[in-house]
Amino acid sequence: EPEVTQTPSHQVTQMGQEVILRCVPISNHLYFYWYRQILGQKVEFLVSFYNNEISEKSEIFDDQFSVERPDGSNFTLKIRSTKLEDSAMYFCATSFGANTEAFFGQGTRLTVV
Amino acid sequence: RKEVEQDPGPFNVPEGATVAFNCTYSNSASQSFFWYRQDCRKEPKLLMSVYSSGNEDGRFTAQLNRASQYISLLIRDSKLSDSATYLCVAFTGGFKTIFGAGTRLFVKA
Repeated sequence: EPEVTQTPSHQVTQMGQEVILRCVPISNHLYFYWYRQILGQKVEFLVSFYNNEISEKSEIFDDQFSVERPDGSNFTLKIRSTKLEDSAMYFCATSFGANTEAFFGQGTRLTVV
Repeated sequence: RKEVEQDPGPFNVPEGATVAFNCTYSNSASQSFFWYRQDCRKEPKLLMSVYSSGNEDGRFTAQLNRASQYISLLIRDSKLSDSATYLCVAFTGGFKTIFGAGTRLFVKA
């Protein structure tokens, strides 16, 4: 069964450092999303991406965040200067169509120290 | 008002019980709705889509009432393996997804 793959599974970084989280979407999916989930809290939408551009972003997705699909396969989330409060599980999800079922990767646990 | 609101739970039920989860959404422009389940520290996994006509998948039945902006999930004949957090999800159209905070279910032997 096709699946969304995320790397790394766990990343520890120092405050102020840049991190890049990677996602390989299901091959025929066209819509890509990033979410985060702080431990014990709800899943929060960060950004959606279609046709090589951001479709929508939340208030959380400020100038410290960026997304791209540099090589047509990997979909990446970059956090430029991490803060302690960026510590969370980050999930990538992809879907074939707009507003259709999205399938999630296993997540990257980001710990900022 | 929260954009997607769910019963907080937890629901503690014996095996074989029928359990119902409720969810309301505030944005009347929301177009698509789903139920996901999430096990502890794992990714959300799609359980089922929700349609106005209602849909059923084995022991699971989902209903959508657009007039009331209300979504439900019914689980019949609960199994131990149904223990998880159930997430109500709305796409607002414009590619934004809103998750409810989830309802925890514990099924006991």
